Amino acid sequence: SQQGEEDPQALSIQEGENATMNCSYKTSINNLQWYRQNSGRGLVHLILIRSNEREKHSGRLRVTLDTSKKSSSLLITASRAADTASYFCATVTNSGNTPLVFGKGTRLSVIA
Amino acid sequence: ETGVTQSPTHLIKTRGQQVTLRCSSQSGHNTVSWYQQALGQGPQFIFQYYREEENGRGNFPPRFSGLQFPNYSSELNVNALELDDSALYLCASRPRGGITDTQYFGPGTRLTVL
Repeated sequence: SQQGEEDPQALSIQEGENATMNCSYKTSINNLQWYRQNSGRGLVHLILIRSNEREKHSGRLRVTLDTSKKSSSLLITASRAADTASYFCATVTNSGNTPLVFGKGTRLSVIA
Repeated sequence: ETGVTQSPTHLIKTRGQQVTLRCSSQSGHNTVSWYQQALGQGPQFIFQYYREEENGRGNFPPRFSGLQFPNYSSELNVNALELDDSALYLCASRPRGGITDTQYFGPGTRLTVL
């Protein structure tokens, strides 16, 4: 079953603009991760945020986590055509042993 | 580049047949998980192996089975294929002992069942 729900399902922006994707989940978590998938291929890990963290940065990526609302957002600043991909949030319930539970993803198109 | 490889890249089978998909993890990654991703959906957890033993399973029937070998390779076997088994199958590995929850995915095998 899917844990997270990403919003929007699809997003189209111009190069240079910022892209924001949201993720909601249902149960308590240990951490939440964001992954990128290009053209139906393997997933690439972008960033992990733990339940006791509220915000995390990595390059042009900014992730926030609100455990009271069971939601997270991924912001990509100054987007590039190469950022075109599907983005998934995935939650981990218990660190160390439990699997990733994915949402359905947001399809991002960055137009040059 | 995650260092995780999968074979074959694409596969076409007919209903009722059996299939074996293969994955080679990074050296030192002794936890491997398999996921099924239907078109337009997020990946769904099938099962996980740690030190060659299954130690977690998602909502998949017993005709989905696996093996993990000491050389960090693993297999996913699916018997009695059904049309709904058509999907992208992803394997993912992690370093030993669950040091990190980050998983390293292979490029996937796209299975089509006719």
